[in-house]
Amino acid sequence: QVQLKESGPGLVQPSQTLFLTCTVSGFSLTSYGVSWVRQPPGKGLEWMGRIQNGGSTDYNSALKSRLSISRDTSKSQVFLKMNSLQTEDTAMYFCARSSGTYWGQGVMVTVSS
Amino acid sequence: DIVMTQGALPNPVPSGESASITCQSSKSLLHSNGKTYLNWYLQRPGQSPQLLIYWMSTRASGVSDRFSGSGSGTDFTLKISSVEAEDVGVYYCQQFLEYPLTFGSGTKLEIK
Repeated sequence: QVQLKESGPGLVQPSQTLFLTCTVSGFSLTSYGVSWVRQPPGKGLEWMGRIQNGGSTDYNSALKSRLSISRDTSKSQVFLKMNSLQTEDTAMYFCARSSGTYWGQGVMVTVSS
Repeated sequence: DIVMTQGALPNPVPSGESASITCQSSKSLLHSNGKTYLNWYLQRPGQSPQLLIYWMSTRASGVSDRFSGSGSGTDFTLKISSVEAEDVGVYYCQQFLEYPLTFGSGTKLEIK
């Protein structure tokens, strides 16, 4: 069945770079795109960006200068890289298959020294 | 960017009553292909969002028929008939007409 699972460090220091991985199963990344969505504690959902099935990317304009999404289709993995992290980047980070039908469980990232 | 604005509910809603959640977009989500590019999600406490409705009015697989979506190009409603305890959570509308995709701020449903 379709599954997505996020992984990455739980704690990142301010000004450092965040690397997250979304490992998918049950579908091919060449057939479906994957989005990244984040949610600060107690707040709403923010769409960050996505990589389409063809490999092209789209980003939230507010994050575009700091964000990069890539993939390794052979490993069924999608990567998020975001630099210059600040405390306001503390959030649960989700990956989701395009159309929003399937989501990972999320990974909590705290930005703190 | 398209701004999505959601209304509030008069919480708590008595169990068995109906509830309607409104969402408004700053731009029409009606495409020339006749489809309206709006999703509705429910995020239960401690869980990932669950897709309820897509194309404004099509229920996702496995979603109860107590949930229905309607609207025009810019004004949308999610109706929950006969609310139950399992419906508790935050409901989000999302436009997927253009990038960046944007969500509403969420509407919390509490049950009495």
